[in-house]
Amino acid sequence: TQLLEQSPQFLSIQEGENLTVYCNSSSVFSSLQWYRQEPGEGPVLLVTVVTGGEVKKLKRLTFQFGDARKDSSLHITAAQPGDTGLYLCAGAGNTDKLIFGTGTRLQVFP
Amino acid sequence: DTAVSQTPKYLVTQMGNDKSIKCEQNLGHDTMYWYKQDSKKFLKIMFSYNNKELIINETVPNRFSPKSPDKAHLNLHINSLELGDSAVYFCASRRTGVVDTQYFGPGTRLTVL
Repeated sequence: TQLLEQSPQFLSIQEGENLTVYCNSSSVFSSLQWYRQEPGEGPVLLVTVVTGGEVKKLKRLTFQFGDARKDSSLHITAAQPGDTGLYLCAGAGNTDKLIFGTGTRLQVFP
Repeated sequence: DTAVSQTPKYLVTQMGNDKSIKCEQNLGHDTMYWYKQDSKKFLKIMFSYNNKELIINETVPNRFSPKSPDKAHLNLHINSLELGDSAVYFCASRRTGVVDTQYFGPGTRLTVL
């Protein structure tokens, strides 16, 4: 069974701080996605990484796919209250489905 | 111009009842999904349909029966509701061949009393 473990599970920080969320698995994925979910809404895709070692930047967010394509990280620089939400990683294998991570709840205080 | 819509948004019902949740997407996608998100926010796939055909069934109890009248709609019917069915149910869709770009609906919060 493919599992994606995220850490930390909860994160509360002050505005302006930096943070990193990790997504780890023992399985290899063909691609990995990061989603953000706000209360009362569905997850929204932030980024997809496909190549081992790939780094993508989305404004203050930096995403990295591990060299072995088993893990990923999300780094947020100078967090803002608008970054508050549930962050989910999701891995795609060779089947027609995504395996979602356990989630990281981020709260950024002004 | 909502991409993936679900109705109802909230559903409160008694144990043993039968209920349905509807999902529609106007993105022209071929594949649609139902996910269940539990109280710990863990999101797990339940079903996947491609062009009205079932392609994934993740060992969901047969009280849950998805129905796809056309490729733009995927409804979920639940018989004999149990307390453990309480969760948020999300519909999603994607274009065939692009497994990682899924678009999610706003969710239906089901509470079984």
